[in-house]
Amino acid sequence: DAGITQSPRHKVTETGTPVTLRCHQTENHRYMYWYRQDPGHGLRLIHYSYGVKDTDKGEVSDGYSVSRSKTEDFLLTLESATSSQTSVYFCATKTGTNTEAFFGQGTRLTVV
Amino acid sequence: RKEVEQDPGPFNVPEGATVAFNCTYSNSASQSFFWYRQDCRKEPKLLMSVYSSGNEDGRFTAQLNRASQYISLLIRDSKLSDSATYLCVVNTNAGKSTFGDGTTLTVKP
Repeated sequence: DAGITQSPRHKVTETGTPVTLRCHQTENHRYMYWYRQDPGHGLRLIHYSYGVKDTDKGEVSDGYSVSRSKTEDFLLTLESATSSQTSVYFCATKTGTNTEAFFGQGTRLTVV
Repeated sequence: RKEVEQDPGPFNVPEGATVAFNCTYSNSASQSFFWYRQDCRKEPKLLMSVYSSGNEDGRFTAQLNRASQYISLLIRDSKLSDSATYLCVVNTNAGKSTFGDGTTLTVKP
């Protein structure tokens, strides 16, 4: 399996605070993704990156920003956390556009 | 309309049954397709790729119909251990990977 590490694994935060989730990979994969997973919605794409400093929005990007300053790290920031952002967040990586995705173990975020 | 749509189920079947899942996609420029398996509270893991000619891996068969824009997964001789959520994934050339909402399968003794 690709070495994908998400941190933190669990977090409880208050409404209105900024939160940053980190995804770190050791496989030099070009593509990186952030998804959120909620009951009844499956995995929804937040943002993705196709290279260092190259990112694009997914279907649920409002309220989130990302940064990728080096190949191995993809950061997801909730600028001002809201209760609707309580979710499980998964990071994924791919070597190419048509290859399989490898996932991190997920971050469970609770906004109170 | 969602880009990728799956029958959410749930599917409850006895051991030994054959079960089929379908997934439709809206972007005709989609390039590659996969089925993933997700166990409760775990990350999704690749089950198999889906090729135009159809492909088989043991009890699992995946098929792609580009003209009708759907993919399917057939599980034969279901085992208790097949109980999970099955997700279809559609990739575009731009690198975007879109998941269906998943189909939940429960195999009962």
